[in-house]
Amino acid sequence: SQQGEEDPQALSIQEGENATMNCSYKTSINNLQWYRQNSGRGLVHLILIRSNEREKHSGRLRVTLDTSKKSSSLLITASRAADTASYFCATGPSSNTGKLIFGQGTTLQVKP
Amino acid sequence: EAQVTQNPRYLITVTGKKLTVTCSQNMNHEYMSWYRQDPGLGLRQIYYSMNVEVTDKGDVPEGYKVSRKEKRNFPLILESPSPNQTSLYFCASSPTRHTGELFFGEGSRLTVL
Repeated sequence: SQQGEEDPQALSIQEGENATMNCSYKTSINNLQWYRQNSGRGLVHLILIRSNEREKHSGRLRVTLDTSKKSSSLLITASRAADTASYFCATGPSSNTGKLIFGQGTTLQVKP
Repeated sequence: EAQVTQNPRYLITVTGKKLTVTCSQNMNHEYMSWYRQDPGLGLRQIYYSMNVEVTDKGDVPEGYKVSRKEKRNFPLILESPSPNQTSLYFCASSPTRHTGELFFGEGSRLTVL
């Protein structure tokens, strides 16, 4: 079952620009996380935001969470070519199973 | 270095030939899980384990088996692989099932002919 839907599916920007990706989900959550996946590689955890938080920062990353709209956004500021990757939101973990439910992902291309 | 190690990274096999994908983590994590990633379907959980000798089915367990005899290892077994099991497989671990962050392996790309 897919909880998150991400928008846009693909994004192409120039180095130095900001990139914004959005994630919507369907059911109530405790946490929402963002992961990055370089082509053909494993996912790497970027940031976790709890349901009682509205905004969180980590370096050039800014995540917002609007539980009333069941949506989150990931902003990457001053993007670099090395930020080229797919970005996934994930809700969970489930308290029973530890499962994360992932969105379909946004593919970001940063052109040098 | 803290890591989750999967082997093999790439494998081409034929229908019905049993195979095992190994997964090992060196972080003393209690929780381990297997996901498969398919275009258009995203990442789906196959099996998970909350601790040694405790395993359970995820969303897509058909055709797979797992075992957790030691804390660090969580192999994925395909007893009789079929072409619909062609996929990219990821093993992941976290300190407990309540912990948010999952640590992923580099993935195992399996092709079943």
